[in-house]
Amino acid sequence: DADVTQTPRNRITKTGKRIMLECSQTKGHDRMYWYRQDPGLGLRLIYYSFDVKDINKGEISDGYSVSRQAQAKFSLSLESAIPNQTALYFCATSDSPGTGEGNEQFFGPGTRLTVL
Amino acid sequence: RKEVEQDPGPFNVPEGATVAFNCTYSNSASQSFFWYRQDCRKEPKLLMSVYSSGNEDGRFTAQLNRASQYISLLIRDSKLSDSATYLCVAGTSYGKLTFGQGTILTVHP
Repeated sequence: DADVTQTPRNRITKTGKRIMLECSQTKGHDRMYWYRQDPGLGLRLIYYSFDVKDINKGEISDGYSVSRQAQAKFSLSLESAIPNQTALYFCATSDSPGTGEGNEQFFGPGTRLTVL
Repeated sequence: RKEVEQDPGPFNVPEGATVAFNCTYSNSASQSFFWYRQDCRKEPKLLMSVYSSGNEDGRFTAQLNRASQYISLLIRDSKLSDSATYLCVAGTSYGKLTFGQGTILTVHP
């Protein structure tokens, strides 16, 4: 079984719709992240959470919100989707620096979102 | 200026070739460095961490020059299976990572 899972894997939606992308992990990591990937731009950080009560904006948080429901779950919401949010979205997890796997981030398989 | 910059390529090399990728980072507070590999339409996966003294893992050698804020990856004896996008990554002491845009490598027979 995969350590980091994302649902859905693919989604096509229309402008103005509310969308939620979900991420679950079985690695026992405290830290979770949401990125989007666009051609030529690499991975850009949307939001991150270092524990259940901690939420931080990343580089491109406008138009997105997140919820950390439990250590293992981190959801990303698009309140009113727009076409330029069409991208590949990745969730990732990591242990705390200085412990175990340190800064290495482990990624889910990605969600391909298309906003028409 | 992007915080982590890479030559996007693409690099097209024959099997057996040696290929080198370079990367620069602008945040002098960066403490940890990595190379990730990403296959087409797949998630990124850690290839190797990069240490100040340089490190090697089989055919792969990574180097870090903190004074120049420069990271490199050398792949020797390229295989067809090395074809992928290689992501240069710089991280802060509190664990936040910044990714370069990636360098595309295609190894052909």
